Amino acid sequence: AQSVTQLDSHVSVSEGTPVLLRCNYSSSYSPSLFWYVQHPNKGLQLLLKYTSAATLVKGINGFEAEFKKSETSFHLTKPSAHMSDAAEYFCAQGGRRALTFGSGTRLQVQP
Amino acid sequence: EPEVTQTPSHQVTQMGQEVILRCVPISNHLYFYWYRQILGQKVEFLVSFYNNEISEKSEIFDDQFSVERPDGSNFTLKIRSTKLEDSAMYFCASRAAERLNTEAFFGQGTRLTVV
Repeated sequence: AQSVTQLDSHVSVSEGTPVLLRCNYSSSYSPSLFWYVQHPNKGLQLLLKYTSAATLVKGINGFEAEFKKSETSFHLTKPSAHMSDAAEYFCAQGGRRALTFGSGTRLQVQP
Repeated sequence: EPEVTQTPSHQVTQMGQEVILRCVPISNHLYFYWYRQILGQKVEFLVSFYNNEISEKSEIFDDQFSVERPDGSNFTLKIRSTKLEDSAMYFCASRAAERLNTEAFFGQGTRLTVV
């Protein structure tokens, strides 16, 4: 069975500093990987996805993620955090029928 | 931009009562899903639905759960006799295709509280 591990349940950064949210996935020949964001009282919004093209994937709102097969990682980064980035972030791996989610990382952005 | 919509946003129900959670998937999508997230836990897959039948279900999706597409637009999740442990956020999702790299579009969720 697939498993997705998000290594940090909470991350706190100051506005304007870099963001790193970590995700490790189940080893797979050709994984499909996604990052979703959930703002309070909102649904899950797709930030970006990896589909075996470029290993560095650019998403919305300045986020990007790097696929590293040797480390089975797909960490999410942003060079400079904004207050509006405060939310819950979920890493997910595509399966035959459904997505397998990590447990989520709550990002706090301090002024 | 097309979106998945869910109603209601919040539902409080007494234990043992039936609830129906409603979803309107994106109109040209063919694959529909329900996920749930118990407070503080992972988003978990419940069931997938295609061509008017369940294509896969998790061990969570026992006999008290059922899904239906009663018309051309709605997709519903029914919990026949709710338990306290059914309290969770329930997300509906839809996809245009069932390839691994096709993203799922999620609704804003229904928060179900069983008292």
